[in-house]
Amino acid sequence: DSGVTQTPKHLITATGQRVTLRCSPRSGDLSVYWYQQSLDQGLQFLIQYYNGEERAKGNILERFSAQQFPDLHSELNLSSLELGDSALYFCASSPWGPTIPNEQFFGPGTRLTVL
Amino acid sequence: EDKVVQSPLSLVVHEGDTVTLNCSYEVTNFRSLLWYKQEKKAPTFLFMLTSSGIEKKSGRLSSILDKKELFSILNITATQTGDSAVYLCAVDRGAVNRDDKIIFGKGTRLHILP
Repeated sequence: DSGVTQTPKHLITATGQRVTLRCSPRSGDLSVYWYQQSLDQGLQFLIQYYNGEERAKGNILERFSAQQFPDLHSELNLSSLELGDSALYFCASSPWGPTIPNEQFFGPGTRLTVL
Repeated sequence: EDKVVQSPLSLVVHEGDTVTLNCSYEVTNFRSLLWYKQEKKAPTFLFMLTSSGIEKKSGRLSSILDKKELFSILNITATQTGDSAVYLCAVDRGAVNRDDKIIFGKGTRLHILP
């Protein structure tokens, strides 16, 4: 158990819908990262927040957005869902900010299925 | 285009064998290379390498980075069935225009036969 929690564990929804995935980082960690893992694409970095601010952006679609709240939990919002958005979404946290290389601790993931 | 390439994609060996997993990279503004083990669910951290030529060890696992030749290897000696997993290599770029900060390879799927 990494100490990172994600809810829900599984989510099944229809195309065109909107969902929100939630992540609570390890106690004391200020950075939160979101990843998407699909069978054909592997693990793709989406976005990073540090202490409430967006600090790095990867392959995140415009239909997706995220935020980190004052209590440091983070939410990933996925809208206008398409079949191709079906994937495992991981959240990870780390103690340091983007200027220091550091390991990340991954949550158990949310499996999203879009029908 | 920045990329991280792992080889082999898949490997099957017998318990007790030694394996070497490879990770090569081409990225701008390299900062660190990380190895993760992914079994059924979330990746778990193994090593972070920032300096060339310094071996990191943890039990039967070890890893080294060559920043001149742009690659890293992960060695597992005396393999056990519990080592069966996907091993992921990732490169952390210092954020360049805040894009693509962390790039993962596709992973090596390792299966250990009893």
